[in-house]
Parts: sequence; C-alpha cells; structure tokens
Amino acid sequence: DAGVTQSPTHLIKTRGQQVTLRCSPKSGHDTVSWYQQALGQGPQFIFQYYEEEERQRGNFPDRFSGHQFPNYSSELNVNALWLGDSALYLCASSFRGSSGETQYFGPGTRLLVL
Amino acid sequence: GDSVTQMEGPVTLSEEAFLTINCTYTATGYPSLFWYVQYPGEGLQLLLKATKADDKGSNKGFEATYRKETTSFHLEKGSVQVSDSAVYFCALSDPGGYNKLIFGAGTRLAVHP
Repeated sequence: DAGVTQSPTHLIKTRGQQVTLRCSPKSGHDTVSWYQQALGQGPQFIFQYYEEEERQRGNFPDRFSGHQFPNYSSELNVNALWLGDSALYLCASSFRGSSGETQYFGPGTRLLVL
Repeated sequence: GDSVTQMEGPVTLSEEAFLTINCTYTATGYPSLFWYVQYPGEGLQLLLKATKADDKGSNKGFEATYRKETTSFHLEKGSVQVSDSAVYFCALSDPGGYNKLIFGAGTRLAVHP
C-alpha cells in the first residue's frame, strides 16, 4: 500500500518565478492538505482540498493556489516566488478530512528560492 | 486563536534515560491531539494520538495522556534509544474546522550512547 508521495523532492527557483508541486494521497484517502515548514519551525497550514474544492485556507496570500484532480491527487502552485518561500512543503492526506482523523504526511518537497 | 506550545529544545539525553517533552494547548472546544516525529531529511510520521479527555495514546514505548484540566499532552518514554533522536511535534486538530492541524514549534531530541 503506497503512502503519500510528493514530487519533486528538491527544487531550486529564482525570485519571481512560479512553481508547481505535486502530491498523490495514500490509497483510500480523498482529502489533501498542504503545509509549509520553514527551517527550524513547525508546519503551517496552507489549505485543504476535498471533492476538488478548496475547503479551508490558512493565512497565506493568493500567490498560493492549488488544485485537486478527480483521482484525489493535488497540486500546489506558488506564483511570484520570493526568498521567504524557501521551505519544506508537506502534503498530507486523510479520509474526508473530518476533525480528529489522522493525517498521513509525504516526504515533502524542499524548495529553495534564490 | 488555537495554539500549541512545546518546551524548547534541544533536549539531550543519554541512552536509557527517561524522556518528557512538555506540550500545552489553547483551543475552543475539544480538539484531538497528536504527536508527530520528524527524522532528519524526512517528512512527518504520526507517533500517537488521543481524541478525547483522559485518553492515552501510545506507540513504540512512547505515551501521552490528554489532560483537559491542564490543557496538556506531554510526551514520555521510559528508556530512550539513540534511534529516537529526531524532532518531535505536538499538534492539535482544529475542532471547528476540517482537520486542519496546528503545530507547535518542535522539540529536537538528541540521544547519546
């Protein structure tokens, strides 16, 4: 049973560029959440997708957007990158995203913005 | 708003020592509580969880009890191993939202032989 997978594992971009990160949820899961983890900090919630809709959003600007596909996989897009976007981006999946449901995390994509 | 506060690290212990990592939370309603572990260069792995007051979560020798009266969820292990060296995150599941996790800042544990 495959767990949560993310691609790519590492990425280097320059300021002003755009980036797309990808996530495939654990088998049987239909809800995908994205988190940003800056170096030395805890993960911060970006948004959650369920039934191909953004269901909840954290305190992130509109430069951060996402999408969920019919097969439940998801993308995170970040436009107009700046240095502060350098972080580990984590995807987590769960079933229905109900409160208290365990979220399973992928290995993350490490983004470096120069 | 909801928040999680963890003891600052790093915590440095000798192998077979007793471990406590303190975690307290602020939340409206009744959140579920989690401990996640992050090994170097990896994502987060669920260590244990508790979904209601007085529940005890346990896994791999680690345990934590959901204490509503003190709003705490301290992580303990009786005898740590070198392989337990990692960063530990306490988190709550926002009870008013769709399973959004709110994390503490993390506590780094280093265990020496």
